[in-house]
Amino acid sequence: DAGITQSPRHKVTETGTPVTLRCHQTENHRYMYWYRQDPGHGLRLIHYSYGVKDTDKGEVSDGYSVSRSKTEDFLLTLESATSSQTSVYFCAISDRDRGTANYGYTFGSGTRLTVV
Amino acid sequence: AQTVTQSQPEMSVQEAETVTLSCTYDTSESDYYLFWYKQPPSRQMILVIRQEAYKQQNATENRFSVNFQKAAKSFSLKISDSQLGDAAMYFCAWGRGGGSNYKLTFGKGTLLTVNP
Repeated sequence: DAGITQSPRHKVTETGTPVTLRCHQTENHRYMYWYRQDPGHGLRLIHYSYGVKDTDKGEVSDGYSVSRSKTEDFLLTLESATSSQTSVYFCAISDRDRGTANYGYTFGSGTRLTVV
Repeated sequence: AQTVTQSQPEMSVQEAETVTLSCTYDTSESDYYLFWYKQPPSRQMILVIRQEAYKQQNATENRFSVNFQKAAKSFSLKISDSQLGDAAMYFCAWGRGGGSNYKLTFGKGTLLTVNP
């Protein structure tokens, strides 16, 4: 399997506090993504990156920011956590930039975030 | 914006029987990829099968096959000889083939129950 890890796996935080989730890959892929998964909504794209310092917003980006200072790391920050951000967060990588790309994603194991 | 619709929030099947999960999508693109992902209770997202839009032949992977109807924008997943381990949430996803800002759009998912 492709090397992609998320940390932490679980987190409980208080409303109003900043939270940072980390995604780390060892595959040297350009494309990295953050999604949130909620019942009845499937997976919705928060932000994505197509290279170091190259990021763009997804469909549910309000209240979130990202940074990618190295190819291997993609950080998602909740600037001031709210209860509506309680969710499962997935990081994913894509081999889209490779000549043998299958265009699919490889996912991390997810972070369950609870905002109380 | 591209949309992916899974019209069956829940499905059930008897062990050893066949079940078909539905997926439709809306796009004006001609070059794209379609995927089915499985999410068991472990939360891990697993690629089940992929289809390139330019290929007329339906993809198959062991007991999993798709019925890809490009004109109808339909991409259903057939699971034959269902097993208890097939019980999971299944997500259909679409991704545009060309361009640099590659990202997948997911449906809301179908929860499959397998009855012994």
